[in-house]
Amino acid sequence: NAGVTQTPKFQVLKTGQSMTLQCAQDMNHNSMYWYRQDPGMGLRLIYYSASEGTTDKGEVPNGYNVSRLNKREFSLRLESAAPSQTSVYFCASGRDQPQHFGDGTRLSIL
Amino acid sequence: GENVEQHPSTLSVQEGDSAVIKCTYSDSASNYFPWYKQELGKRPQLIIDIRSNVGEKKDQRIAVTLNKTAKHFSLHITETQPEDSAVYFCAASRVDYKLSFGAGTTVTVRA
Repeated sequence: NAGVTQTPKFQVLKTGQSMTLQCAQDMNHNSMYWYRQDPGMGLRLIYYSASEGTTDKGEVPNGYNVSRLNKREFSLRLESAAPSQTSVYFCASGRDQPQHFGDGTRLSIL
Repeated sequence: GENVEQHPSTLSVQEGDSAVIKCTYSDSASNYFPWYKQELGKRPQLIIDIRSNVGEKKDQRIAVTLNKTAKHFSLHITETQPEDSAVYFCAASRVDYKLSFGAGTTVTVRA
């Protein structure tokens, strides 16, 4: 009973490098989300996918792209990482709101 | 967009006492108000939620109240226990999918 699975758990990048964060859910949820969490700022929505085949921008989409590969998987890509993107990234899924979160990816950009 | 303010930022209570966290929101059309609990280094967990057609909801020791006129909602934890120590986040949404979160309240339960 995995729920929401994120990989990797930790990553260190150099400025300008690219990488993709992976997320998969096994609860047959339609909607999936990517959030970032910075100290003292709560969670901020980067992108979401209401259903397979659709994606929409959230509050802080600049510097990110997403792909809803199928109903289970929703990936987040940083094309050219910047120090301001150092954060903890959470993927979530739910029927129509984020109900279940993954364990997070701690990303540091040097 | 929606703006959610959460108070207090930190809260220390004696074990067995009650804890209350308050949030205000700006968009009068918001209709969904969840609360999440996040233990140190762990994922956020949805603990209770309320929709705007309901004024109060309880689940064992936790309850949420909503005042739509004043645009505020509160989380109440009764008979606090050490395992209640965590960061609690409120959130609000006027449309599906787009939640706006408060900055969080760190609750410490003293034994």
